Amino acid sequence: EDQVTQSPEALRLQEGESSSLNCSYTVSGLRGLFWYRQDPGKGPEFLFTLYSAGEEKEKERLKATLTKKESFLHITAPKPEDSATYLCAGSGAGSYQLTFGKGTKLSVIP
Amino acid sequence: SQTIHQWPATLVQPVGSPLSLECTVEGTSNPNLYWYRQAAGRGLQLLFYSVGIGQISSEVPQNLSASRPQDRQFILSSKKLLLSDSGFYLCAWRTPGQGRTEAFFGQGTRLTVV
Repeated sequence: EDQVTQSPEALRLQEGESSSLNCSYTVSGLRGLFWYRQDPGKGPEFLFTLYSAGEEKEKERLKATLTKKESFLHITAPKPEDSATYLCAGSGAGSYQLTFGKGTKLSVIP
Repeated sequence: SQTIHQWPATLVQPVGSPLSLECTVEGTSNPNLYWYRQAAGRGLQLLFYSVGIGQISSEVPQNLSASRPQDRQFILSSKKLLLSDSGFYLCAWRTPGQGRTEAFFGQGTRLTVV
């Protein structure tokens, strides 16, 4: 059974304090590793897709990386507007579904 | 561009009443469609997915059912709601792509069963 585990569950950062969120996965025949941002009461918003170990994607203050067992979402000099829950999901070979982690709730304090 | 519409945004229903949530997608053809439920601290749970009209796969035995009467329409239903059906329901679509394509989500429906 595919599994995705995110850590920490919650993270509080001061504005400008860089950090990383972790996503560990066991997904059979990984085809894609996906990161989403979710604001309270809203649907998840797509951020990145990573396909193979060593790949990196960047968007503003966010950078996602992928190894054979983990993915990291690095947040550089975060701002309060980066506060949200960040979700990680994996999709494997022959599977129609995404397997989601429980998310990391990020709070950035001014 | 593609858009996904999901309604209603919030719903309060008594126990034992029926349910119908609707989701439509615009700007794409033959998408894979999904219903998820999100409970606090439990992540997104896949309820149903569909790869074509009339084709529904259920991931979790429950009080709910799904239908896909048209290519870009996905409906979540229940004949009699239970208290345990309360939660945040999300519809999503993906371009078929052997697991390599991202999913795009609607804004969700907050269902409270009282």
